[in-house]
Amino acid sequence: GAVVSQHPSRVICKSGTSVKIECRSLDFQATTMFWYRQFPKQSLMLMATSNEGSKATYEQGVEKDKFLINHASLTLSTLTVTSAHPEDSSFYICSVPTSGNTGELFFGEGSRLTVL
Amino acid sequence: GQQLNQSPQSMFIQEGEDVSMNCTSSSIFNTWLWYKQDPGEGPVLLIALYKAGELTSNGRLTAQFGITRKDSFLNISASIPSDVGIYFCAGPPITGGGNKLTFGTGTQLKVEL
Repeated sequence: GAVVSQHPSRVICKSGTSVKIECRSLDFQATTMFWYRQFPKQSLMLMATSNEGSKATYEQGVEKDKFLINHASLTLSTLTVTSAHPEDSSFYICSVPTSGNTGELFFGEGSRLTVL
Repeated sequence: GQQLNQSPQSMFIQEGEDVSMNCTSSSIFNTWLWYKQDPGEGPVLLIALYKAGELTSNGRLTAQFGITRKDSFLNISASIPSDVGIYFCAGPPITGGGNKLTFGTGTQLKVEL
């Protein structure tokens, strides 16, 4: 069964609205989660590291005020795309480390955002 | 930053054929990971490599960690239709952040029946 669950899997919104995407770790507690973005026919780009109980750390070029991340519990991280614009349309995927610092990650099913 | 280039970009093969793809980097890695992504889903880990020269198998999949630490190879033997998807190599930075992966450009595999 799924280890990491994302919701919603698809969302369509109007330009200027905000959209929240949830990422849940189902089988174990995660002090760290990672958010990736993937444009069509492209690779995954790391956006930010979500840290339980503290601020997220963002990759260079990712606007922290645009992509709000909250990691309030050991099983839930949320990504809110604020004032969404069509160029924010993308596939957003979260991931949870399996254990340690090995690079082995469980990924969620992804959330496809379409901004009209 | 680190860049991982994969080749071929895409390949169209017959069912039953063996497949080879590779991943090269401009800088060295201590870990190489291979993930597969099905359409509309998140990637799934296939194989992890932690030592230069290491050769690891997972069923019909075999991957190798290049001796130079700047490349890795993935082979799939006797391909089947469910092998269709995009294969990504990935690796963490040398210093710290072992789970902060950089993903390669991807190799899309299509299988003809």
